[in-house]
Amino acid sequence: GPKVLQIPSHQIIDMGQMVTLNCDPVSNHLYFYWYKQILGQQMEFLVNFYNGKVMEKSKLFKDQFSVERPDGSYFTLKIQPTALEDSAVYFCASSLGLGAETLYFGSGTRLTVL
Amino acid sequence: GDKVKQSPSALSLQEGTNSALRCNFSIAATTVQWFLQNPRGSLINLFYLVPGTKENGRLKSAFDSKESYSTLHIRDAQLEDSGTYFCAAEGGFASALTFGSGTKVIPCLP
Repeated sequence: GPKVLQIPSHQIIDMGQMVTLNCDPVSNHLYFYWYKQILGQQMEFLVNFYNGKVMEKSKLFKDQFSVERPDGSYFTLKIQPTALEDSAVYFCASSLGLGAETLYFGSGTRLTVL
Repeated sequence: GDKVKQSPSALSLQEGTNSALRCNFSIAATTVQWFLQNPRGSLINLFYLVPGTKENGRLKSAFDSKESYSTLHIRDAQLEDSGTYFCAAEGGFASALTFGSGTKVIPCLP
């Protein structure tokens, strides 16, 4: 099936540093998402993105978070500065449309903030 | 409370038996997706449902939007069915998927 690639699979950084998580969505998809999962618990919606803009974001999408997809390259989640509670697995997803469309997820980036 | 309540939270899987997982929604769910998160952490798409039923091999899923629930049935369970099953509904926070807390399916060794 369609593949969403996430790079890297693991990232370890010191608290206060900046980190960028990269996502290569399905090639013809137009909507992009980030979800956060802590310790195998349920996935929590962070943000969705379309046509260069954030469409919706949750309370978990703190001011330190930002997303972009410059010139159709990677869809990125940047955290600056990082905090200990940002340690989690971050999943990227993409879909062709909004509503009534299957979301396809990447395999996640495990972020550890020390 | 939980907008998507999944049950059971854990399930012992005996080879050859049938199992049923369920999600109840307190949001006005319009579509439902079921995923299997394998031991490596990857999310595998199982079903995308509008109200109705779908079947794929030994898996069958149903979504009843009026009664606000969805089910996933595993027939003739195999060891490779192990992992955590998540349901997720659209219809809560804008267009975002709201996930249940998962059902962990663990192999039961004979």
